[in-house]
Amino acid sequence: NAGVTQTPKFQVLKTGQSMTLQCAQDMNHNSMYWYRQDPGMGLRLIYYSASEGTTDKGEVPNGYNVSRLNKREFSLRLESAAPSQTSVYFCASSLSGRIYNEQFFGPGTRLTVL
Amino acid sequence: DQQVKQNSPSLSVQEGRISILNCDYTNSMFDYFLWYKKYPAEGPTFLISISSIKDKNEDGRFTVFLNKSAKHLSLHIVPSQPGDSAVYFCAARTNRDDKIIFGKGTRLHILP
Repeated sequence: NAGVTQTPKFQVLKTGQSMTLQCAQDMNHNSMYWYRQDPGMGLRLIYYSASEGTTDKGEVPNGYNVSRLNKREFSLRLESAAPSQTSVYFCASSLSGRIYNEQFFGPGTRLTVL
Repeated sequence: DQQVKQNSPSLSVQEGRISILNCDYTNSMFDYFLWYKKYPAEGPTFLISISSIKDKNEDGRFTVFLNKSAKHLSLHIVPSQPGDSAVYFCAARTNRDDKIIFGKGTRLHILP
C-alpha cells in the first residue's frame, strides 16, 4: 500500500504559468482533500471531494480548480500562478461518511512561484 | 475567524518530562477532535482523536483530554522522547460534513 502519493515533489513556476498537482490514493477512500500550508498559518483547506463526481470549496479556493478524475485521483490546477500561491500543498484522503475517522496525508508538493 | 486556536507557537520540554499541548475551539458544533504530528518535509500523520461524548482518550504515551464546557482540549505526552520533536496540529470536525479545521500548530522541542 502506497497510501497517498503526490507528484511532483517540487516545482518552480513563473507568474502566470499553469500547472496541475496530482494526487492518488490506494486505500479505497471516498473523500479527498487539498490543503496548503504556509508559515504561521497551519493547514488551510482549498477544495475537497466527498465522493467521486463531487467537489466543494474549502477555506481558500480562489485561484484553484480541482478535478476528481475517479475514486483514486484528485488533481489541483493553478490556471495562472501567482507569488501568493507559493506554499506547500498537501493532498489527503479519508473513508468519509458518518464514521469518525482520520485523514491520511501525502508527502506534499513544495511550490515556488517567482 | 479562527475556530481552532493553538496559542503557543512553540514549546520546549526536557526529555522524560511531560509535554502538554493546548488547543481551544469556538465552534460548539465540533463533535470530533484530532491531533496530528508533522515532521519537516513530510505530511502530517494522525496521532490520536477523541469524540465529544468522551473526556479522555489514551493511547500509550499519548492522552487527549477534552473539556467541552471550556471548549478546550489538551494533548499530554508522557514521558517525552527525542522523537516527539515535531509540529503538532489540533483539528476539529463538525457532524455536518467531512471537513476538518486545523489549528496553526505548536512546535515541540524535546531537550536532551
